[in-house]
Amino acid sequence: QQQVKQSPQSLIVQKGGISIINCAYENTAFDYFPWYQQFPGKGPALLIAIRPDVSEKKEGRFTISFNKSAKQFSLHIMDSQPGDSATYFCAASPETSGSRLTFGEGTQLTVNP
Amino acid sequence: GAVVSQHPSWVICKSGTSVKIECRSLDFQATTMFWYRQFPKQSLMLMATSNEGSKATYEQGVEKDKFLINHASLTLSTLTVTSAHPEDSSFYICSARTTNRGNTEAFFGQGTRLTVV
Repeated sequence: QQQVKQSPQSLIVQKGGISIINCAYENTAFDYFPWYQQFPGKGPALLIAIRPDVSEKKEGRFTISFNKSAKQFSLHIMDSQPGDSATYFCAASPETSGSRLTFGEGTQLTVNP
Repeated sequence: GAVVSQHPSWVICKSGTSVKIECRSLDFQATTMFWYRQFPKQSLMLMATSNEGSKATYEQGVEKDKFLINHASLTLSTLTVTSAHPEDSSFYICSARTTNRGNTEAFFGQGTRLTVV
């Protein structure tokens, strides 16, 4: 049973554009929502994370928007760069520690120069 | 952030043999470590959770006798794939959680590519 659904599966954006990736969850016990970036052959690296007590969190070019009532959250990458080309995973955890994560299916982002 | 190191980065083994993968937390004590498996172009699937000094907790559908996990110290967990078969070929990733920092975040290793021939 997939508890975290992610879309789109792949995304192509021009340099300087905005990349938007969406996730929806089912388990209301989730209370920690991180986004990870993964390059081929590497482990995932934490980009940014949010907890349900806030609706938005921004760190540099990365912003998470969170809608608790809709059980949805999204990642916005502003001024997308070719170096941002990677696979992005949303995840959710019932613990604020962010461990024992349930991952979304992943989005392959390509930023064209 | 904290550093988690996996070894080896890649390994090729013959069908029927066993392979051990190490996961080390280099600059913190990891009370809990997690092992994930990732098939090409797919998401990470949690295999098991291990706490230092106790038996691992396996996710449904993961054979505990095939995937042996040992977490003997606060800085080292090992995953042994026993009697490996080609269908075990995958990318194995560990993560480690610390409780000696403010946010108890989980940090990921760089992964181990296992190919069984």
